[in-house]
Amino acid sequence: EVQLVESGGGLVQPGGSLRLSCAASGFTFNSYWMSWVRQAPGKGLEWVANIKQDGSDKYYVDSVKGRFTISRDNAKNSLYLQMNTLRAEDTAVYYCARDRWVQWLVLDQWGQGTLVTVSS
Amino acid sequence: DIVLTQSPATLSLSPGERATLSCRASQSVSSYLAWYQQKPGQAPRLLIYDASNRATGIPARFSGSGSGTDFTLTISSLEPEDFAVYYCQQRGNWPGTFGGGTRVEIK
Repeated sequence: EVQLVESGGGLVQPGGSLRLSCAASGFTFNSYWMSWVRQAPGKGLEWVANIKQDGSDKYYVDSVKGRFTISRDNAKNSLYLQMNTLRAEDTAVYYCARDRWVQWLVLDQWGQGTLVTVSS
Repeated sequence: DIVLTQSPATLSLSPGERATLSCRASQSVSSYLAWYQQKPGQAPRLLIYDASNRATGIPARFSGSGSGTDFTLTISSLEPEDFAVYYCQQRGNWPGTFGGGTRVEIK
């Protein structure tokens, strides 16, 4: 069974940093592109970042470029999102998701999400 | 970025009725459009990818159609568990933008 389990969310002050983790199991992690998608409270979905199987290609939405870094450790079957210089508008549930194997940017497996709240 | 506009914002229907949801793209995305279902407190679930392909385990009452800029998700006969929010999403280019969602509620 495929499982994606996020952790690391919480309350942080504006300007602060947070590192999210996603533990993957039940599939060959190093064969898949992986993504982070967020959802502000009561709002829609926004793709945040995307990373290739070997970490050599990374993509970011404009609103997080220069502040967020996506990475992965294939030996640990883990995905990460380092978030720096956090703003109130970064408050959201952050989902870790797997890109479908042969369709890049189609998300066929999702974690349960971890809530990040940026507030003083 | 490609903008996806979903309509209507809310659809009020009864179980057993047919639901037709629309998604329009600001420019062509070919057939690179997916549909997701999200229930309160849950992560989204992939229903349809590349306009018309059902994802694994998705019932046949869900179908997708369209290409270019206009797409439709049809639920042929609503079951109680289908009342949820539905999002379309394009993968024509990065970022893979989502529509604003259509809420299907019980009438």
